[in-house]
Amino acid sequence: GQNIDQPTEMTATEGAIVQINCTYQTSGFNGLFWYQQHAGEAPTFLSYNVLDGLEEKGRFSSFLSRSKGYSYLLLKELQMKDSASYLCAVREDYGQNFVFGPGTRLSVLP
Amino acid sequence: DADVTQTPRNRITKTGKRIMLECSQTKGHDRMYWYRQDPGLGLQLIYYSFDVKDINKGEISDGYSVSRQAQAKFSLSLESAIPNQTALYFCATSDGTSGRGTQYFGPGTRLLVL
Repeated sequence: GQNIDQPTEMTATEGAIVQINCTYQTSGFNGLFWYQQHAGEAPTFLSYNVLDGLEEKGRFSSFLSRSKGYSYLLLKELQMKDSASYLCAVREDYGQNFVFGPGTRLSVLP
Repeated sequence: DADVTQTPRNRITKTGKRIMLECSQTKGHDRMYWYRQDPGLGLQLIYYSFDVKDINKGEISDGYSVSRQAQAKFSLSLESAIPNQTALYFCATSDGTSGRGTQYFGPGTRLLVL
């Protein structure tokens, strides 16, 4: 079956670093995506991993281990505007069947 | 102008009514998707289309139908709305011919079925 797990909620302090984990069990794998979604708004693309390792993009980094079915999103130098939900999504095949996790709601406190 | 637009943005309807949600895109993408989002459940795929002549059911297609009128337009219909279809609906597009296939989402339609 398909299953993607993420923590439901996390809290961190402005200026700190936070790591949001995602574990997955899917019938196939052709890439893992992270999206940011502010309340009531559309998800927006943050990062993409298809090979093992770390992808860095400014304050955001994402890591993938395909053998462990595991990814994390690392947010550095947290800002208040980073308060949002973060969605992990796996593309099962190039037919583009995406499976989304339930999302992690991050609250950044002053 | 937004690349992916949805109309209406908000809709209130009654049980049993037929309604249509519309999605248009100017990104030139071939692939389009309809998702619903409920609190705590993430995004669930309703239908997807890889081109005008291709329509596929997603994980929760019962009670819904779609039409791909043109490459740029993909509409979702609720044949007979019921209260548990109250949700936030998103349309998304992706480029199936090049790149990583990142999905781009419209602003969403908030639907309330009474």
